[in-house]
Amino acid sequence: SYELTQAPSVSVSPGQTARITCSGDALPKVYAYWYHQRPGQAPTLLIYKDTKRPSGIPERFSGSSSGTTATLTITGVQAEDEGDYYCQSADSVSRYWVFGGGTKLTVL
Amino acid sequence: EVQLMESGGGLVKPGGSLRLSCAASGFAYSDFTMNWVRQAPGKGLEWVSSITTNSSYIYYADSVKGRFTISRDDASDSLFLQMDDLRANDTAVYYCARLLSSDFWSGFAYWGQGILVTVSA
Repeated sequence: SYELTQAPSVSVSPGQTARITCSGDALPKVYAYWYHQRPGQAPTLLIYKDTKRPSGIPERFSGSSSGTTATLTITGVQAEDEGDYYCQSADSVSRYWVFGGGTKLTVL
Repeated sequence: EVQLMESGGGLVKPGGSLRLSCAASGFAYSDFTMNWVRQAPGKGLEWVSSITTNSSYIYYADSVKGRFTISRDDASDSLFLQMDDLRANDTAVYYCARLLSSDFWSGFAYWGQGILVTVSA
């Protein structure tokens, strides 16, 4: 079955840039999506179709994808950005969605 | 304002059944693919099932195929998940989620608050 791999944790100081990566063999052919989840809350869609940002999402969140790796970049990290970040993708034929295991972002 | 509200969760014994509902409001419900996503305690997100408009296409994760049934009632703006033969590892918070737009690939932009399902003897 299709899998997406994320590092378990990333730490960054306030104001610095955080990069969270997601690896998957099918990523050259399918879109990547990114979500942020704070404890006890539902996830929030940050990035869709690799690079697009829904309205209301701050510009400091950006997405890119190259080869088998998709990257979420948070420029000028703020304390409120702490939480878990999940990448998501799907098999374009079966339309099965899959989430990565999540990356816990700690703001030092 | 888009609102999604799950209900129907609770404690059930292994092998039992439960039916989750998701009441939608604030948008043209019949125009959107709807989804269920779950999250086991302390674990990551897991996609469960999706149903397109007019119930034309239905998709299930392998982990629930043959045991769970997704359905929708556009007359009442409701989404359902019938869960049969429940197992301990089905224990999770279950979220209903709507796509950002009518585009199937637009991402899960709107989520309910989630409902806890606990499968335990």
